[in-house]
Amino acid sequence: DGGITQSPKYLFRKEGQNVTLSCEQNLNHDAMYWYRQDPGQGLRLIYYSQIVNDFQKGDIAEGYSVSREKKESFPLTVTSAQKNPTAFYLCASSITGGSAEAFFGQGTRLTVV
Amino acid sequence: AQSVAQPEDQVNVAEGNPLTVKCTYSVSGNPYLFWYVQYPNRGLQFLLKYITGDNLVKGSYGFEAEFNKSQTSFHLKKPSALVSDSALYFCAVSFITTSGTYKYIFGTGTRLKVLA
Repeated sequence: DGGITQSPKYLFRKEGQNVTLSCEQNLNHDAMYWYRQDPGQGLRLIYYSQIVNDFQKGDIAEGYSVSREKKESFPLTVTSAQKNPTAFYLCASSITGGSAEAFFGQGTRLTVV
Repeated sequence: AQSVAQPEDQVNVAEGNPLTVKCTYSVSGNPYLFWYVQYPNRGLQFLLKYITGDNLVKGSYGFEAEFNKSQTSFHLKKPSALVSDSALYFCAVSFITTSGTYKYIFGTGTRLKVLA
């Protein structure tokens, strides 16, 4: 089955730790996105990538980092510089060009303990 | 700044009545417009999109949306609401940036509650 897979579903982070959220897709999409979802704030764009080895900062990139070494994979690292990382993180992918709908993973809920 | 607004945090409607969920946008150029639905603790599912052409677009589960360029709006509608339509709805726009890449941004979401 084609789709987009995020792992883990739940993640707990201690203060000062870096954690990496996985996002893999087998839809052959060039574009991939990371969003953060907080109650009442909708989805805010963290990073996006239109092609392998290239990515752009979104609206709230501070404290996060990404890589795009393979077309299928777009991992997100939440660094210790992110002061309030507790949130629901969503990864999405689409074909490029802007007019295509995005396909979303099931999300990772990150909690700082 | 480019933005999408959903002015209502929650919309309540009785089952069988028509529903409208509002969306307005502030994006230069000609953006593409989308609606998505989210069920608890899940990712978003695509409902419909406007690219060009007819201002009324039809999508999944009986939903439709009307594009109004002069009012920069893209309201989601359904003629007869079902209890199972209760969920969180997001409006989104895709637009080309000055660097030539497409950026995809979302509104804050509207919770739809359909009452039996």
